[in-house]
Amino acid sequence: LAKTTQPISMDSYEGQEVNITCSHNNIATNDYITWYQQFPSQGPRFIIQGYKTKVTNEVASLFIPADRKSSTLSLPRVSLSDTAVYYCLVGEANTGFQKLVFGTGTRLLVSP
Amino acid sequence: DTEVTQTPKHLVMGMTNKKSLKCEQHMGHRAMYWYKQKAKKPPELMFVYSYEKLSINESVPSRFSPECPNSSLLNLHLHALQPEDSALYLCASSQSPGRGELFFGEGSRLTVL
Repeated sequence: LAKTTQPISMDSYEGQEVNITCSHNNIATNDYITWYQQFPSQGPRFIIQGYKTKVTNEVASLFIPADRKSSTLSLPRVSLSDTAVYYCLVGEANTGFQKLVFGTGTRLLVSP
Repeated sequence: DTEVTQTPKHLVMGMTNKKSLKCEQHMGHRAMYWYKQKAKKPPELMFVYSYEKLSINESVPSRFSPECPNSSLLNLHLHALQPEDSALYLCASSQSPGRGELFFGEGSRLTVL
């Protein structure tokens, strides 16, 4: 079964780069890795998705090594508003990837 | 329109009540999901509807009954709930089952007395 492992929490300061790593040793060959951000009492919000190597969008970068057993979400120059919980997701191949399982999440606290 | 709308935002019900949560999307998505989230925990998948058919039920107790009347609507009927069912119920949709971005609603905060 696909399962992800993330650090429980991380602390940072405004303006720093933050890297959050997710371990997914049992990722299926065809599965994508997706990261979400969640603020308290709100639904999760999509950040980025990738399959291999590097993906970059206007808010983050996602680094995936060749073996795809882990991935790293990189947030450049964080601000106070980036304080949130960050989840990585992979699907489960035996459900046609319909079963999208959230990891434990990483609580990021950004301080002034 | 890239929104998933959930109603009501807050619901308080007794253990003998029958209520429903509603979810709506107009993005033409063909997969819709119900997740349950307890405080400080990740969302847990409950149900997946694929092309308006129930494709995944994560062994959810029968006091939760999902319904997908059409491709834009998803309901969760609630009956004889327990206080431990109090949680944030999140609806999500995606363009196709198991692929692409999940669009989440803001959730319905349920309190069972």
